[in-house]
Amino acid sequence: QVQLEESGGGVVQPGRSLRLSCAASGFTFSDYGMHWVRQAPGKGLEWVAVIWYDKSYTYYAESVKGRFTISRDNSKNTLYLQMNSLRDEDTAVYYCARDVRSARYDFWGQGTLVTVSS
Amino acid sequence: DIQMTQSPSSLSASVGDRVTITCQASQDIRNCLNWYQQKPGKAPKLLIYDASNLETGVPSRFSGSGYGADFSFTIANLQPEDIATYYCQSYDKRPIFTFGPGTKVNIK
Repeated sequence: QVQLEESGGGVVQPGRSLRLSCAASGFTFSDYGMHWVRQAPGKGLEWVAVIWYDKSYTYYAESVKGRFTISRDNSKNTLYLQMNSLRDEDTAVYYCARDVRSARYDFWGQGTLVTVSS
Repeated sequence: DIQMTQSPSSLSASVGDRVTITCQASQDIRNCLNWYQQKPGKAPKLLIYDASNLETGVPSRFSGSGYGADFSFTIANLQPEDIATYYCQSYDKRPIFTFGPGTKVNIK
């Protein structure tokens, strides 16, 4: 069965960096685009970034552009999110999600919490 | 940028009631709209895609309709397990996805 498992969250000071991982299993990872979506405490869902199945394209939300980098290692079935220059407003649960036809998410991970605080 | 609005932001209804949530896009998005259910502490779950198609395995009491900029989502016979927040999501500007602010559904 399809599984996505995020890791790497934690407490980090403003201005510091953190890298999230999303380990995929149960499907051919290299066939699918993958996204990161976040949810601040008590708030709604916010799309963060997407990477094409073959790494050829990446797109970012304006709120993270220039600070976050999405990447993937298809040989390791793993998606990454490198987060630099973290701000208080980046505090959220970060989900990875599988993209179907650049139209919808059919599977999500359980999320990993990132807390930016001094 | 496309903006999505939802109404109401929250509602309370009785078991067995028919519940309808609306979602409006700031521009014509054709049928490029999905609906997700998120229960507390859990990841969202896809219920409806392309405005009106029921995802496999989702109970038939859930339905969606609409085209252009105005959409609706209905739970035909509200059940206790439907307590959740429901989000619409546009993919008209794919691969960039835009979510609505959510509608929290409670049992009266």
